[in-house]
Amino acid sequence: DVVMTQSPLSLSVTLGQPASISCRSSQSLVGSDGVTFLNWFHQRPGQSPRRLIDKVSIRDPGVPDRFSGSGSGTEFTLKISRVEAEDVGIYYCMQGTLWLFGQGTKLEIK
Amino acid sequence: EVQLVESGGGLVQPGGSLRLSCAASGFTFSSYWMSWVRQAPGKGLQWVANINEDGRKKVYLDSVKGRFTISRDNAQNSLYLQMNSLRVEDTAVYYCARGGPGKWGQGALVAVSS
Repeated sequence: DVVMTQSPLSLSVTLGQPASISCRSSQSLVGSDGVTFLNWFHQRPGQSPRRLIDKVSIRDPGVPDRFSGSGSGTEFTLKISRVEAEDVGIYYCMQGTLWLFGQGTKLEIK
Repeated sequence: EVQLVESGGGLVQPGGSLRLSCAASGFTFSSYWMSWVRQAPGKGLQWVANINEDGRKKVYLDSVKGRFTISRDNAQNSLYLQMNSLRVEDTAVYYCARGGPGKWGQGALVAVSS
């Protein structure tokens, strides 16, 4: 079975500083067509999840450019270049063909 | 504006049934895969079921196979989840989601308890 593992599970960041979250898959996520279906989501307290990144690195409409996704094969990263107060919450990676979510990474402001 | 509005949640006893509905608007509903994703209290996200654009292909989480049925009515722009033989561990907020999923509803709480 494919397992998605995020790290760290919690993150405390000073406003204006960068943040990075890792997502590792136990198997390569590259499909037969060469497309890698790896998404990133953000869930603020009490709200529904919102997709930030589609297919490893494509930002969804309206997502600030301080968010970026990268990676390939089995290792992926979500980076926030300068953390803002509205970025608090839980971040999830998701493998898009088996619909497997990582455990989530809780981001708080230091 | 894309909107997904779930309804039908509530409190039910173990072994009972519940039907969730999701009313979609603001996009061509019949052009998208749709899904149900759940989140148990204080826990992470768990995909439950997918259905393709015309409703002929359905995929389920192993633990809900045979108990839950996903369906859709493209004429009514609606997605459904029929949940039978509910268990305490099915307690969660159930989200309706579109596509990848790029859009999510606000969620409906299903509580299974005696």
